[in-house]
Order: sequence, then structure tokens, then C-alpha cells
Amino acid sequence: AQKITQTQPGMFVQEKEAVTLDCTYDTSDPSYGLFWYKQPSSGEMIFLIYQGSYDQQNATEGRYSLNFQKARKSANLVISASQLGDSAMYFCAIVFGNEKLTFGTGTRLTIIP
Amino acid sequence: GAGVSQSPSNKVTEKGKDVELRCDPISGHTALYWYRQRLGQGLEFLIYFQGNSAPDKSGLPSDRFSAERTGESVSTLTIQRTQQEDSAVYLCASSSEAGGWDTQYFGPGTRLTVL
Repeated sequence: AQKITQTQPGMFVQEKEAVTLDCTYDTSDPSYGLFWYKQPSSGEMIFLIYQGSYDQQNATEGRYSLNFQKARKSANLVISASQLGDSAMYFCAIVFGNEKLTFGTGTRLTIIP
Repeated sequence: GAGVSQSPSNKVTEKGKDVELRCDPISGHTALYWYRQRLGQGLEFLIYFQGNSAPDKSGLPSDRFSAERTGESVSTLTIQRTQQEDSAVYLCASSSEAGGWDTQYFGPGTRLTVL
């Protein structure tokens, strides 16, 4: 069975610092996609970034980048120059051929002014 | 353009009543998903519609849960004889059919409270 793990239930980071949110996964399938979503207190899930298992380069999207280490089965999200508006829950998710997203338990990020 | 919309935003019901939750996907998106998020937890997959294919119902927790989709548009999730453990936020997502794993875009959710 596929499994996705986020080991940090909560993190506190000083504004303007970079932050890394951990995500590891367990699968024997060579083909998969990894997603990160942000869920602010309003509850909506906001897509941040995507990495395909065959992508050669790490995905980047503005201040978001994905540190993809395929051999270690990790897909950590890096947020550079954190802002107060980055405070939210962050979910890592994985998808396989059946296209069902499997989510991790999330990390609550709090940016301190 | 318009995103995924869901209604109602909040629903309070009494145990044993039936509820219907509605999802309007992004126009042109052929895939539609329903997820459930209990308080403080991640998302659980419920059901997936893709075009005219038979839906993937493997995530539905019991036969009290059912969902329908009209063509490639609106979907309704129905929960019959609601129980207190059904209290959660129900999220709908849609994606386009463009090969590979298309990004799923989520609606704002319906917060269901069963008293």
C-alpha cells in the first residue's frame, strides 16, 4: 500500500527565514506524482507545486521549491523568505495510476513576526 | 475564470436525517473528486468521476454514502441517515483530462455538523 508521511505536526519560523517541510513516501510503483497543497484557516486547499517521478529537475514555483530525492523517497517543500501569509496547514500528497490523491497528515506552519 | 464551487458552505443536521452536498467543477474539467476531512486530519478520498467511465467508489465509507454526476458538470454527494461521525468538511476537486496527473483544484468545502 502506498503511504505518505509528514513527520512535523507543527513548525514555528521567523518571518523572512526559509523553511523546509518534510514529506516522505513509500511506494514500489516507479511512476507517480507528488503535490503540495496549502490550507489556510479559511479551509480551501490551494495547489502550490507538482513534481513527477520522472522529472529530472526539482520543481520550482516562485518562492516554493521541491527538494525531490527519489532514492530517499522524499519530497520536501522549501519556502524561501517566509511571509506572515504563509501561516497555514501544508499537505503533501501522492498520486499513482488510479489518480486518487493520498494525503499526508499535514504540517501546521506558523510564521512569527 | 470561476473555480470549483460548493454548496452549502455550512450544513447542520440532526442525526438520522439525509443531506445533499453539491459541487460545481471548473468548466471543462472532466474529472471530479470528493474528499472528506475530519477535524485536524488529512483528506480521505471518497469517490472519483472521470468522463463517462464508471465512478471509482472505493473510498466511500458505507452504503449510506452515494454520489452522482450529471455528465461532466455538477455532482451531488448524498449521505443518508447521518451519524455524528459523519461530521467533517467535505471537499470537492476537479481536474482536466490532459494526460498524466493533472492538478486537482479544490472548492471551499462544505462543513457538515451532525448533532
